[in-house]
Amino acid sequence: GAGVSQSPRYKVAKRGQDVALRCDPISGHVSLFWYQQALGQGPEFLTYFQNEAQLDKSGLPSDRFFAERPEGSVSTLKIQRTQQEDSAVYLCASSLVQGDYGYTFGSGTRLTVV
Amino acid sequence: GQQVMQIPQYQHVQEGEDFTTYCNSSTTLSNIQWYKQRPGGHPVFLIQLVKSGEVKKQKRLTFQFGEAKKNSSLHITATQTTDVGTYFCAGPKAAGNKLTFGGGTRVLVKP
Repeated sequence: GAGVSQSPRYKVAKRGQDVALRCDPISGHVSLFWYQQALGQGPEFLTYFQNEAQLDKSGLPSDRFFAERPEGSVSTLKIQRTQQEDSAVYLCASSLVQGDYGYTFGSGTRLTVV
Repeated sequence: GQQVMQIPQYQHVQEGEDFTTYCNSSTTLSNIQWYKQRPGGHPVFLIQLVKSGEVKKQKRLTFQFGEAKKNSSLHITATQTTDVGTYFCAGPKAAGNKLTFGGGTRVLVKP
């Protein structure tokens, strides 16, 4: 596609509910990144894929967070048993190669846990 | 771990004036990137600097990478209302690594 597509755009979850956030990167982009952005803050790294391989997941806050990219294109970020502190905008970005080029970000998913 | 700091956190500018925002890394960077995020939007890539002391211009925006490759600056001349937004710098810890973003400089323009 022309850009990075994320869905849903907004998600309201009750505390304890599981959520799944989808990212469809630019076709042919090898690298895919997930970031979490709290209100008024810069994006914080969560995890990184090169094709289908998850090369870095050091930013995932807890074992409730899980990401996958099984076929090297679409990626899903799953959060289990959501908590209020998970409320944030979740940004997906892709780049052509290993991150030495600018990222193209999607519009993000705004998650609100109530 | 690697830290990227930006100052100032907020910049109130009169339309038509110039200003500079600064970015400092705790570690040497292979490159520095700048992004702009409009209110309610997502970060948009502006530019990448790679060489020590490199200077690049985009219309009224001038970007500079420090000689030690640990700091960078963004200078905007003749600020316009379209410049409103948050400017982030970001750098990888090593070539090909994930980007670490600074906290951003929020620019507000007074007409």
